[in-house]
Amino acid sequence: GNSVTQMEGPVTLSEEAFLTINCTYTATGYPSLFWYVQYPGEGLQLLLKATKADDKGSNKGFEATYRKETTSFHLEKGSVQVSDSAVYFCALSARTGANNLFFGTGTRLTVIP
Amino acid sequence: NAGVTQTPKFQVLKTGQSMTLQCAQDMNHEYMSWYRQDPGMGLRLIHYSVGAGITDQGEVPNGYNVSRSTTEDFPLRLLSAAPSQTSVYFCASLKPGAHNEQFFGPGTRLTVL
Repeated sequence: GNSVTQMEGPVTLSEEAFLTINCTYTATGYPSLFWYVQYPGEGLQLLLKATKADDKGSNKGFEATYRKETTSFHLEKGSVQVSDSAVYFCALSARTGANNLFFGTGTRLTVIP
Repeated sequence: NAGVTQTPKFQVLKTGQSMTLQCAQDMNHEYMSWYRQDPGMGLRLIHYSVGAGITDQGEVPNGYNVSRSTTEDFPLRLLSAAPSQTSVYFCASLKPGAHNEQFFGPGTRLTVL
């Protein structure tokens, strides 16, 4: 089956610290992988995506690399800002059948000045 | 484009009451879906639709009905609300040919007393 395991939070970092949020997946076939971000009081927004092995998704200073050998898609950012405080969700979508997303449980990040 | 819109933003129901959560999108997306978000559980798929007149069940469909009479609208009905349905509900639509990138509405926060 399809599932996503995501690093438990919450995570609290000081501004300009390095961020890693771990994500591993189980899937049949070769899924597309996503990171979504949810700012306080808002819906989910796509942060970045990767659709095949070794692809690197990047956006707003965040990066994640699709690692087929370790079935991972870890989110990283070299220097976080207060405005990055949000909940981050790792998700996958199987290539076959319906386009349903399978989400991890989410990781809450708080960045303090 | 307004994107994906949801109404209401907040709702309080008593056990046994029924209501409909509205979702609309103006992007001409064929695929639409409903998720619920609960603490520590991420987002779970309730129902989805791959086009007008076609709906199917997701991971947690019990207690919910959907219909899809038009491409634009995908309402979610609670037939007899229960406290276990207290959650935040998100509607999403899929951009075709974009490796399963989904666009989310702002959410409806539902409390069942």
